[in-house]
Amino acid sequence: DAGVTQSPTHLIKTRGQQVTLRCSPKSGHDTVSWYQQALGQGPQFIFQYYEEEERQRGNFPDRFSGHQFPNYSSELNVNALLLGDSALYLCASSNWGGGETQYFGPGTRLLVL
Amino acid sequence: GNSVTQMEGPVTLSEEAFLTINCTYTATGYPSLFWYVQYPGEGLQLLLKATKADDKGSNKGFEATYRKETTSFHLEKGSVQVSDSAVYFCALHGNQFYFGTGTSLTVIP
Repeated sequence: DAGVTQSPTHLIKTRGQQVTLRCSPKSGHDTVSWYQQALGQGPQFIFQYYEEEERQRGNFPDRFSGHQFPNYSSELNVNALLLGDSALYLCASSNWGGGETQYFGPGTRLLVL
Repeated sequence: GNSVTQMEGPVTLSEEAFLTINCTYTATGYPSLFWYVQYPGEGLQLLLKATKADDKGSNKGFEATYRKETTSFHLEKGSVQVSDSAVYFCALHGNQFYFGTGTSLTVIP
């Protein structure tokens, strides 16, 4: 039973570029949440997707957008990259209405130069 | 608003020492509280949780008690091992998850 998978594992971009990160949830899960973890900090909630709709959003600008597909996988898109977007981006999956238990993927480390 | 404050690290202990990592929170309503652990190069793993006041979460020898009166959820372990070396995050869930900044623990033989 595969857990949460994310791709790519590492990514280097330059300021102003756009990036897409991908996440496949744990088998049986229908909800995907995205987090940004800056170096030395705790994860910060970006948004959550269920039934292909954004259900909740944290305090992140519109440059951060997402999508969920019918197979429950999800993408995180960041436009107009800033140096401050350099971080580990974590995906977590869960069941909608199934309590707060969520499983995290290994993350994608994004470096913006 | 909701927030979590964690004891600053890094923490270095000898094997078999007693561990306490302090965590306090601010929340509206009655959140659930969590401890997550992050091993080097890996994502976060749920260590334990408590969903209401006076609940005690426990796993792998770690324990934490949800204290509403002191708004705390301190993590404890009686005898740490080298394999416990990791970063520990305290978190709360109200309408969304809020994480502390993490406490790095190194256990030396």
